[in-house]
Amino acid sequence: GESVGLHLPTLSVQEGDNSIINCAYSNSASDYFIWYKQESGKGPQFIIDIRSNMDKRQGQRVTVLLNKTVKHLSLQIAATQPGDSAVYFCAETISGGYNKLIFGAGTRLAVHP
Amino acid sequence: DGGITQSPKYLFRKEGQNVTLSCEQNLNHDAMYWYRQDPGQGLRLIYYSQIVNDFQKGDIAEGYSVSREKKESFPLTVTSAQKNPTAFYLCASRWADTQYFGPGTRLTVL
Repeated sequence: GESVGLHLPTLSVQEGDNSIINCAYSNSASDYFIWYKQESGKGPQFIIDIRSNMDKRQGQRVTVLLNKTVKHLSLQIAATQPGDSAVYFCAETISGGYNKLIFGAGTRLAVHP
Repeated sequence: DGGITQSPKYLFRKEGQNVTLSCEQNLNHDAMYWYRQDPGQGLRLIYYSQIVNDFQKGDIAEGYSVSREKKESFPLTVTSAQKNPTAFYLCASRWADTQYFGPGTRLTVL
């Protein structure tokens, strides 16, 4: 399939472990943040989002943490499974207007059995 | 992928030719976007449209053109003026603040 990112940072984890993927965002005015998962040769898939009035949001097996002081996002995946192997992107935007998304470079998650 | 379709999945073009990439959505979303993705990089915005018959240039619009005659459709034309068109092209539509992506078209210039 297509190479989503040939030189991306890679996080390698064992199946069943928890994974933490980090992202630094650039614009202090951004108020809405999204994590996407992209498998090879496919379009990004929405995972979870968070607004700037929150510090934490939980989904099914995933948690996003937002630290506005240091402009940092993290995505935590509990009990990581082989199907979680993909490239993960964070994206930031200012809500309203035309919602231009600014994407991070991405992190490749490799899950080993 | 949801209700966003892109065609074709793979496209090969000779230098000097224009090609058009299709993007269709049945989600009743007003806003649609085109992005380009190169290896090792995040997505970069080419064009966007907030509503039918209106569209605006994104960060890397040179060598590309779009139209938005119908709410459901936002085709992208890669013209011969685009100097490095080989890339993975992604279309998205937006509901509220969230953009949802299609499966992508891989364009290769021979």
